[in-house]
Amino acid sequence: EAGVAQSPRYKIIEKRQSVAFWCNPISGHATLYWYQQILGQGPKLLIQFQNNGVVDDSQLPKDRFSAERLKGVDSTLKIQPAKLEDSAVYLCASSLDQSPGRYFGPGTRLTVT
Amino acid sequence: AQSVSQHNHHVILSEAASLELGCNYSYGGTVNLFWYVQYPGQHLQLLLKYFSGDPLVKGIKGFEAEFIKSKFSFNLRKPSVQWSDTAEYFCAVNGGTDSWGKLQFGAGTQVVVTP
Repeated sequence: EAGVAQSPRYKIIEKRQSVAFWCNPISGHATLYWYQQILGQGPKLLIQFQNNGVVDDSQLPKDRFSAERLKGVDSTLKIQPAKLEDSAVYLCASSLDQSPGRYFGPGTRLTVT
Repeated sequence: AQSVSQHNHHVILSEAASLELGCNYSYGGTVNLFWYVQYPGQHLQLLLKYFSGDPLVKGIKGFEAEFIKSKFSFNLRKPSVQWSDTAEYFCAVNGGTDSWGKLQFGAGTQVVVTP
C-alpha cells in the first residue's frame, strides 16, 4: 500500500512570498489532515477534511493560510504571504475515517528567510 | 486549555538500558491515547494506542505503555533499548471537547541510544 505523498520535500522562500504544498493521501482514505510542526514542538493540527468538506480549521491562520481538497482526494495548502514564523515542517496525514489513528506523510520543510 | 506534557525533551542512554518516557494530559473524561515515533529521516509512525480495556498496551518493537487514569498519565516503556530505538517520540491525546479526529501532540522527547 502506497503511503501519503507530499511535495515538495523542501522549500526556501523569502518573507511575503507565496508557497503551496501538495498532498496525496492513501487511496480510499476519506479524512485528510494538515499539521504544522515548528522545531522543538509537536505537530499542531491546521485543518481537517472529511472528503472535500472542512471538519476543523479552528487553528488555521485564515488571514494567510488556505487549504482545499476539491475532489475529496488530493489537497493543497497555501500560505500567502509567508512570515518568518511560518518556518516549519508541514505534515499531511490521512485516515480511513475520523479515527484518531492516522498515517503521516514525509512532510515539507519550509524555510522563510 | 487541554494540553499534553512530555517531561523530558532529551534522553541519552546506553544499549540494553531501560527506557521510560513520561506523558501527562489535562483532559477530563474519555480519552484516546497514542505514542508516535519518528526515526531519523522517516515519517511519523504509530507506536501504540489506547482506546479502552486493558490499561497496559503493547506496541511494536517491544514498546508498551500504561494508562493510569487517576494520574492522567500514559507513560511509554521499553525494558531494553537498542541503538535502532534512537528517534523522537511523541505522545498524543484525543478527547475531552475535541472533535473525534483531533489529536493534541506533546512537544516530543528526543531519545539517543549509544552503542
